[in-house]
Amino acid sequence: SQTIHQWPATLVQPVGSPLSLECTVEGTSNPNLYWYRQAAGRGLQLLFYSIGIDQISSEVPQNLSASRPQDRQFILSSKKLLLSDSGFYLCAWSAGGGGSSYEQYFGPGTRLTVT
Amino acid sequence: GDSVTQMEGPVTLSEEAFLTINCTYTATGYPSLFWYVQYPGEGLQLLLKATKADDKGSNKGFEATYRKETTSFHLEKGSVQVSDSAVYFCALSRNTGKLIFGQGTTLQVKP
Repeated sequence: SQTIHQWPATLVQPVGSPLSLECTVEGTSNPNLYWYRQAAGRGLQLLFYSIGIDQISSEVPQNLSASRPQDRQFILSSKKLLLSDSGFYLCAWSAGGGGSSYEQYFGPGTRLTVT
Repeated sequence: GDSVTQMEGPVTLSEEAFLTINCTYTATGYPSLFWYVQYPGEGLQLLLKATKADDKGSNKGFEATYRKETTSFHLEKGSVQVSDSAVYFCALSRNTGKLIFGQGTTLQVKP
């Protein structure tokens, strides 16, 4: 069966510091991968979407970037964090090629607090 | 563009009450429809789905029917439990690889 991991689970970082969040998927090949942010008490904002290695689409202009160095690894980064980057970051995967319905499966999330 | 609208929350119910969370969508063609649930401090879990008109998705006592004529996918449960307290998200997909989410509805069930 497929599993998705995220780490760290929680992170407290000062403004201006760098960021690296990691997501890995097991049990599937060539997945589509996604990064979302969820601000406190609000809905989901799609940040990045990847259909393959080095194929990444940015959905929202910001100081974040994403990379996909391996088929099942997705990394979210920032060179300098802002207070507004605080939130709950979720990674998700779906079957490559779409399958029948494009359902996505989510990781446990990383709670980021920028101080 | 495509969009999903959910009823405003929070929804507060007593245990064993009947639950309905309304969801309507705007999209061309025949999107797939989903309900996700998010428990406090956790990621989203796929609760149920429907891929074509008149399909009924069901799981853990929850049901939702894909109504093309009313562009709706309302979530229902006959008897809620305290453990059902969570945020529920309705979403659609139109074969673009992306999901369009509603804003989420918080459900609080009191004993």
